[in-house]
Amino acid sequence: DADVTQTPRNRITKTGKRIMLECSQTKGHDRMYWYRQDPGLGLRLIYYSFDVKDINKGEISDGYSVSRQAQAKFSLSLESAIPNQTALYFCATSKWGGEETQYFGPGTRLLVL
Amino acid sequence: GENVGLHLPTLSVQEGDNSIINCAYSNSASDYFIWYKQESGKGPQFIIDIRSNMDKRQGQRVTVLLNKTVKHLSLQIAATQPGDSAVYFCAEDKGTSYGKLTFGQGTILTVHP
Repeated sequence: DADVTQTPRNRITKTGKRIMLECSQTKGHDRMYWYRQDPGLGLRLIYYSFDVKDINKGEISDGYSVSRQAQAKFSLSLESAIPNQTALYFCATSKWGGEETQYFGPGTRLLVL
Repeated sequence: GENVGLHLPTLSVQEGDNSIINCAYSNSASDYFIWYKQESGKGPQFIIDIRSNMDKRQGQRVTVLLNKTVKHLSLQIAATQPGDSAVYFCAEDKGTSYGKLTFGQGTILTVHP
């Protein structure tokens, strides 16, 4: 969905490096989410934010941090990357007010060596 | 424990056939369900949703059926086309975590010409 963009689309990094994945949306949604997807598994929630001043941990937040710089921007950081953080990362947005449907970005493929 | 699961991890059909993808859930408090389609290299794409006060909802070539008695959700695709080949995920909103979705593992649908 072009309304939700992620940068970079692909990233290779080394163990111990700090990296940031960025997400921007033009849908005007107030809620944003970060997921990771591993081969053969569904999406697992890392962090979510229901508005600019609201940040919540998901089921697998250890080793990650987030920043909600504005309503339209939500970034995910890996403080010290490790190989088992190699995965596909997706950002998603949704609108408060009864429509729980989440709209996803194209994903960032991360490889940690 | 609570989970959203799929009966079949893979499904192969011939072009023109109807496809049925199944999903089981265990949380009777879930009140909103979504089906997503994920093509290779892309983020999940919304297909259709249904609320717990409905049994059936139809879209263009797709129908979602909800059986609350046995906690079962299905996605029916009519006249399946090669372009329907993808991974299909069901997701539920458990009500108590309004705005947070729990995703199933996914079913790989392969459509043969």
